[in-house]
Amino acid sequence: DIQMTQSPSTLSASVGDRVTITCRASQSISSWLAWYQQKPGKAPKLLIYKASSLESGVPARFSGSGSGTEFTLTITSLQPDDFATYYCQQYNSYSFTFGPGTKVDIK
Amino acid sequence: QVQLVESGGGVVQPGRSLRLSCAVSGFTFNSYGMHWVRQAPGKGLEWVAVIWYDGSSKYYADSVKGRFTISRDNSKNTLFLQMNSLRAEDTAVYYCARVPCSGGFCYFDYWGQGTLVTVSS
Repeated sequence: DIQMTQSPSTLSASVGDRVTITCRASQSISSWLAWYQQKPGKAPKLLIYKASSLESGVPARFSGSGSGTEFTLTITSLQPDDFATYYCQQYNSYSFTFGPGTKVDIK
Repeated sequence: QVQLVESGGGVVQPGRSLRLSCAVSGFTFNSYGMHWVRQAPGKGLEWVAVIWYDGSSKYYADSVKGRFTISRDNSKNTLFLQMNSLRAEDTAVYYCARVPCSGGFCYFDYWGQGTLVTVSS
């Protein structure tokens, strides 16, 4: 099974900061990666799919990059609504795995 | 608009059964694979099961294989998860989710609000 890791596990940042979250896969997954945002008590929300495609309605300050085993989610200018936990997800042959999550909180 | 509404959660004793439902609207249900994903309190997301758009194939996480059964009724736009032999470690919020697949990649684009299952004596 493909394992996913994320770093950092927690990130403290201020409004306006540029934030980068890294997701690594235990083997190459091409560009088969998605990113989700989850706020407490809410369902996850899709942000990015296929590593770099922005989901409709998601602000352009979110972007994704990477391929193979290393991927990044970047928020160019952190907004108050962006404080949340972020998960990456891979898909491979009917198997779905999420990363452990990165919590972005207020510095 | 797309809506997914789970129901059926609650408190259940270890070893007992529970059936979750997910009623969907706003899209052509029988065109999409549907999934269950769970999240234990304070923990991350864990994929549980998938059923093909026509019900022809089903896959499960190892942690629930042999105990959980996913099914669907396309005539009623409803997804189900039958959970048997429940354990304390099955305690979680259970989400149903729609999964489109594009160019070989599948991802979760719409989620329900979740239903809490608590397994406790």
